[in-house]
Amino acid sequence: EAGVAQSPRYKIIEKRQSVAFWCNPISGHATLYWYQQILGQGPKLLIQFQNNGVVDDSQLPKDRFSAERLKGVDSTLKIQPAKLEDSAVYLCASRLAGGDNEQFFGPGTRLTVL
Amino acid sequence: AQRVTQPEKLLSVFKGAPVELKCNYSYSGSPELFWYVQYSRQRLQLLLRHISRESIKGFTADLNKGETSFHLKKPFAQEEDSAMYYCALTGGNQGGKLIFGQGTELSVKP
Repeated sequence: EAGVAQSPRYKIIEKRQSVAFWCNPISGHATLYWYQQILGQGPKLLIQFQNNGVVDDSQLPKDRFSAERLKGVDSTLKIQPAKLEDSAVYLCASRLAGGDNEQFFGPGTRLTVL
Repeated sequence: AQRVTQPEKLLSVFKGAPVELKCNYSYSGSPELFWYVQYSRQRLQLLLRHISRESIKGFTADLNKGETSFHLKKPFAQEEDSAMYYCALTGGNQGGKLIFGQGTELSVKP
């Protein structure tokens, strides 16, 4: 079974630029999560999707972050404009809806904002 | 407030020594507790969860509701156990959303 795929793996941008990350979850996984992991900290949830609907985006900085999962499969997370404090690893995870609570993580995208 | 605390950023032991990674949590209700592990250059993966009550790679963790703790233990550490370990919880009505601790780096020296 293929795991969660993410691209790009690394991205370096300057502040005020925009950036987008892509995630392809495990086939059949209806629930998709985006986490932000700042260096030295544990992952923190940004947004959770169930199919193409948002379940929880309470910790998403909506003035600059947006995410979508239009067809209920792939998802894109965008930052516009980026700030220095957005430097982090962005992790995508997926889970079978209705199954146990195990989440499967992608390799992450490491973002550096200069 | 919902919170997971891992008091040690780094734990260094010698091969064959016992190891205990501490995890305390704050949650109003009955959470499900997990340990996730990230080996060097690999993705984050589930190590074990409290509801399965199983031993994985020699590791065990017991949920202590009275002390709100879920410490990870292994009687004899191996060099291949060196990794980042994250304790996490989810609540019954949270759609599986995980709240993570800040992680403990385990270093097992030969």
